[in-house]
Amino acid sequence: DTEVTQTPKHLVMGMTNKKSLKCEQHMGHRAMYWYKQKAKKPPELMFVYSYEKLSINESVPSRFSPECPNSSLLNLHLHALQPEDSALYLCASSQHGTGFFGQGTRLTVV
Amino acid sequence: EDKVVQSPLSLVVHEGDTVTLNCSYEVTNFRSLLWYKQEKKAPTFLFMLTSSGIEKKSGRLSSILDKKELSSILNITATQTGDSAIYLCAVYSIQGAQKLVFGQGTRLTINP
Repeated sequence: DTEVTQTPKHLVMGMTNKKSLKCEQHMGHRAMYWYKQKAKKPPELMFVYSYEKLSINESVPSRFSPECPNSSLLNLHLHALQPEDSALYLCASSQHGTGFFGQGTRLTVV
Repeated sequence: EDKVVQSPLSLVVHEGDTVTLNCSYEVTNFRSLLWYKQEKKAPTFLFMLTSSGIEKKSGRLSSILDKKELSSILNITATQTGDSAIYLCAVYSIQGAQKLVFGQGTRLTINP
């Protein structure tokens, strides 16, 4: 099983809403990532969790709040987002030099 | 700061041509270099390279790593319109934490 599952696939939210993105993997990978990707740009790293601890936060605004409840799950809590936060949000996991991506959540902030 | 640079950023060729995409990197504690193909959604994994000079091959795609030159190339022979995509190079490093850093990508367009 080389699958990373993200839900939901699409999300439209207002600027005052609170929502969460979810990511799950059962490959036993101990590093999990959130990336943000705008159209025609490469993925930009947001957060890295290593062994369920936040190890990298790439100066992401506090309206994005990651959480790693266990070694298989990664959440991204969203609150008071701006329209410019609309993007494809990708989750990935890695171990031993490989990296696998979920299908992403396409987020639109209205 | 870790850096991955791809070239060219954009390439348009005719079906049947052969293309070479380039990736160079400067990272601390290099572990591997990964190539991905991205069409409409998430990047899909193509190759993982860890050792210099050993070519990885999958059908019409092949890739090789040069650790001395800190670079890699991705070759696609006999291109087809279905090869049109963004090709992303990423470097996996460990410095305190595991990290995957991406290049800007090469947008490849294959015209019939």
